[in-house]
Amino acid sequence: GENVEQHPSTLSVQEGDSAVIKCTYSDSASNYFPWYKQELGKRPQLIIDIRSNVGEKKDQRIAVTLNKTAKHFSLHITETQPEDSAVYFCAATPTDNWGKLQFGAGTQVVVTP
Amino acid sequence: DTAVSQTPKYLVTQMGNDKSIKCEQNLGHDTMYWYKQDSKKFLKIMFSYNNKELIINETVPNRFSPKSPDKAHLNLHINSLELGDSAVYFCASSLALVGIEQFFGPGTRLTVL
Repeated sequence: GENVEQHPSTLSVQEGDSAVIKCTYSDSASNYFPWYKQELGKRPQLIIDIRSNVGEKKDQRIAVTLNKTAKHFSLHITETQPEDSAVYFCAATPTDNWGKLQFGAGTQVVVTP
Repeated sequence: DTAVSQTPKYLVTQMGNDKSIKCEQNLGHDTMYWYKQDSKKFLKIMFSYNNKELIINETVPNRFSPKSPDKAHLNLHINSLELGDSAVYFCASSLALVGIEQFFGPGTRLTVL
């Protein structure tokens, strides 16, 4: 089955700096890679996703890159703001695996003013 | 007009008791899920249903029994609760089975004493 590793487990950045979170996956059949943000005490919410036919996707201050050959994908947050403080989860799933999302262990991002 | 709702939000109970968590979605989605988030924030899928049919049944003790009376509802019944069952349980739904955003409910924090 799929195994997703996520690094770092915690990330402290100054407001305005960039944050990068990296994930690797094991199953070469995986072709859907979402990122979820979970604020303290709240539900996980999708912030961006990428499919295997795309190498990069951007949405305002967040971007995701995918390297299928190396089986890794990354989340980039630019110009970080205090409201970016949260736990971020990467996930992977092969589209023929009945929607089973395999989540990484999460990254606690703390943005200090 | 909450998209995915769960009840109760908090559940405190004694070991050995039986309890249920209810989930409802008003998004018209075909697929619903149960996830368990442990104290280290790790998110792991437990079950998924598509059109009331069980699709994913992860390695979960058979004390956990999901029930989907219709497409909009997925309940979780837990028998003989154990200390290790303490966690936050999230319900989620998606429009389809594969490669698509999952919408999470607010979570149910279960504490077993």
